[in-house]
Amino acid sequence: EVQLVDSGGRLVRPGGSLRLSCVVSGFTFSDSAMSWVRQAPGKGLEWVSGISNSGASTYYADSVKGRFTISRDVSKDTLYLQLSSLRAEDTALYYCAKVLEVPGWGYYFDYWGQGTLVTVSS
Amino acid sequence: ETVLTQIPATLSLSPGERATLSCRASQNVYNYLAWYQQKPGQPPRLLIYDASNRATGIPARFSGSGSGTDFTLTITSLEPEDSAVYYCQQRNDWPPITFGQGTRLEI
Repeated sequence: EVQLVDSGGRLVRPGGSLRLSCVVSGFTFSDSAMSWVRQAPGKGLEWVSGISNSGASTYYADSVKGRFTISRDVSKDTLYLQLSSLRAEDTALYYCAKVLEVPGWGYYFDYWGQGTLVTVSS
Repeated sequence: ETVLTQIPATLSLSPGERATLSCRASQNVYNYLAWYQQKPGQPPRLLIYDASNRATGIPARFSGSGSGTDFTLTITSLEPEDSAVYYCQQRNDWPPITFGQGTRLEI
């Protein structure tokens, strides 16, 4: 059974930093691209960042570029998102998501974590 | 950036009826479009990918169609458990991956 367990969210002050983690099981982590998707309270879905299966390629939404860093540790079956220079508008539930393996360019997401809440407030 | 517009914002139907949800892309995304279902307190669930392919375990009541800029998710024989917000998502023009704003389906 595929499982993604995300954690690390908490209340943080504007300008602060945080690292989110997503521990996966039930599939070969090194074979799958991964992403983070966030959802502000009561709002829709916003893709944040993606990383290739090897970790060699990373991608970011303009809204987080230069502030967030995605990475992965295959030895720990763990995906990370380092958040820095946090703003109130970064407040959201952050989901890690596994990329569906289909031909072609780009990502769909076939498995999701339950989400971890990041609140940016003074 | 490809903007996805979902119509309608809210749809209210009765059990047994058919739901038709639309997603329009601001530019051609070919067939690189997916649909997700999200219930309160849960993460999204992939229903359809590449416009018309059902994801693993998705009932045949859910079907997708379209290409280019206009796409449709159809749910036949609605059940109360189909109440949810439905999102479309494109993967043709990225980054960024983009989602529509969602359609709330009330049964």
